[in-house]
Amino acid sequence: QLQLQESGPGLVKPSETLSLTCTVSGGSISSSSYYWGWIRQPPGKGLEWVATIYYSGSTYYSPSLKSRVTMSIDTSKNQFSLKLSSVTAADTAVYYCARHIDYYYYYMDVWGKGTTVTVSS
Amino acid sequence: DIVMTQSPDSLAVSLGERATINCKSSQSVLYSSNNKNYLAWYQQKPGQPPKLLIYWASTRESGVPDRFSGSGSGTDFTLTISSLQAEDVAVYFCQQYYSTAFTFGPGTKVDIK
Repeated sequence: QLQLQESGPGLVKPSETLSLTCTVSGGSISSSSYYWGWIRQPPGKGLEWVATIYYSGSTYYSPSLKSRVTMSIDTSKNQFSLKLSSVTAADTAVYYCARHIDYYYYYMDVWGKGTTVTVSS
Repeated sequence: DIVMTQSPDSLAVSLGERATINCKSSQSVLYSSNNKNYLAWYQQKPGQPPKLLIYWASTRESGVPDRFSGSGSGTDFTLTISSLQAEDVAVYFCQQYYSTAFTFGPGTKVDIK
């Protein structure tokens, strides 16, 4: 059964870079049928798409975050990663990694448990 | 961006009764070339990630109980829980994937009356 697990620092200082990794187990990240994304959820709020990547390395970023986001993928480790620069308190959220079906903007059928990131000095 | 709205914000339903959640998009999410509505529904229980329930507006994900059903087309959609169970207490989100910048609704909280 496919599982996704997020990892990374739970506390990031303002103006610094948030770095997270998602490790995929129980299946290959190199499948041509899927895309791999990050979704975040600020405390008590709704869901927001951050970015998505394909196994080939093609990346797709939310227009509202595009200037600060970088995604990468390591197929040898079955992992993909997110970097969000110049963070502020508004970036405090639970960050989920998830699998998209067929295309990078399609629905997500498998999600990680999420990791809480707090931006504070 | 396509803006998604949901109603009501919250609802309380007696066990065994029907729960109905509405989702509206600011523009149609029906793709005319394949006659598919690019709309999904998720369930999120406290402290858990979202769980996919419905995609293509009415296709139930494998393993999802058949008391969950999705309907609607164009800009107006409904998620129905035909007989509410205690384990259905959660927040429910709709998501449009018609636009490459996909967006979610704000969520509807379902509780037991």
